[in-house]
Amino acid sequence: AQSVTQLGSHVSVSEGALVLLRCNYSSSVPPYLFWYVQYPNQGLQLLLKYTSAATLVKGINGFEAEFKKSETSFHLTKPSAHMSDAAEYFCAVSESSGGSNYKLTFGKGTLLTVNP
Amino acid sequence: GAGVSQSPSNKVTEKGKDVELRCDPISGHTALYWYRQSLGQGLEFLIYFQGNSAPDKSGLPSDRFSAERTGGSVSTLTIQRTQQEDSAVYLCASSLAGWVYEQYFGPGTRLTVT
Repeated sequence: AQSVTQLGSHVSVSEGALVLLRCNYSSSVPPYLFWYVQYPNQGLQLLLKYTSAATLVKGINGFEAEFKKSETSFHLTKPSAHMSDAAEYFCAVSESSGGSNYKLTFGKGTLLTVNP
Repeated sequence: GAGVSQSPSNKVTEKGKDVELRCDPISGHTALYWYRQSLGQGLEFLIYFQGNSAPDKSGLPSDRFSAERTGGSVSTLTIQRTQQEDSAVYLCASSLAGWVYEQYFGPGTRLTVT
């Protein structure tokens, strides 16, 4: 069974500061990993994905994440926060094999607040 | 191009009534998914369609929940005899057949059961 843990349900940063959102996973097989962003009253938008190619993955809006197998982590970072980054961020995992790679398992989410 | 659309955006219903939630996937996406987002449980997988077939219904919480898909396109999630614990945001997503892990989500339907 897979699971995802997002450390910190709420992260607050100043505009221009580093954004670091933490995600650890548990999976019996090498997983695929994803970060989604959800703005108020909107659906989920895919920020980036790791599907066993390069371990450093670049996504939209200046975000990137690094897959670290030894630490079972997939933390999301952005060098300089912008006010428009304020949203809820979800880490998700799916199996990379076994026929169930359609089933995303999500973390509980991290609400990012950006202060002026 | 057009994204995934869902209707209604908001639905308020009385306990015990039936509701239907609709999802229009991205054109050409043969795979379709329903998820539920609630405060207590977070985001949960409900059901997966490939074409008009549902090979995985394992996330449907009870037999009051059902879903169908017609013409390989529109899907309807039906909840019978709604209960207050059914209150949640119901999200639909779609993807290409060979990229089932790259899912595009709709804006959701917020269901409130009073």
